Amino acid sequence: ETGVTQSPTHLIKTRGQQVTLRCSSQSGHNTVSWYQQALGQGPQFIFQYYREEENGRGNFPPRFSGLQFPNYSSELNVNALELDDSALYLCASSLGLAGTTDTQYFGPGTRLTVL
Amino acid sequence: AQSVTQLDSHVSVSEGTPVLLRCNYSSSYSPSLFWYVQHPNKGLQLLLKYTSAATLVKGINGFEAEFKKSETSFHLTKPSAHMSDAAEYFCVVSGDSSYKLIFGSGTRLLVRP
Repeated sequence: ETGVTQSPTHLIKTRGQQVTLRCSSQSGHNTVSWYQQALGQGPQFIFQYYREEENGRGNFPPRFSGLQFPNYSSELNVNALELDDSALYLCASSLGLAGTTDTQYFGPGTRLTVL
Repeated sequence: AQSVTQLDSHVSVSEGTPVLLRCNYSSSYSPSLFWYVQHPNKGLQLLLKYTSAATLVKGINGFEAEFKKSETSFHLTKPSAHMSDAAEYFCVVSGDSSYKLIFGSGTRLLVRP
């Protein structure tokens, strides 16, 4: 176990709705990253937060947004859901800035289905 | 830009035989490379990582990988497969911006009894 938890485990939404996914990082980990894993593909980087500030972003539209809190919890918010948003969403925590040697510890993921 | 290519989408081996999962990378600088494993309904688990120290990297559960700069490869091996090794394996490179990981498309390992 990595000590990273995510909730809920599964979620079903309809197109156009909004969703919030939650992650609890390991204590002391200042960095959290979010990834989207579509069925049969590798995870794709959405964005990263370091000490409550967005530190970097992948190729995802602004309707994907996040928050990081001082208690090592974080959220991924997705507005105006589309069918293609159906995927496994993974969060990963690491000690500091995710440098080339910093290990990211992944949670089990939230499976989002958009109908 | 950084990228990884996993050369096999599926690999099938018999229990007790060697495992070879192939990965080639592309990077404009000396990369950090990782192998992660994903069991069904479980999170990604780090098997091993290369960070420009020894080119032969030993990981958990008997896995190891060798960094070959001349071949731009980072293949994952294990001398003897176990049934519990059946899972999806991802080769990963750190991005040119240090904050992100770039995943390959994955290799599904099947272990036959």
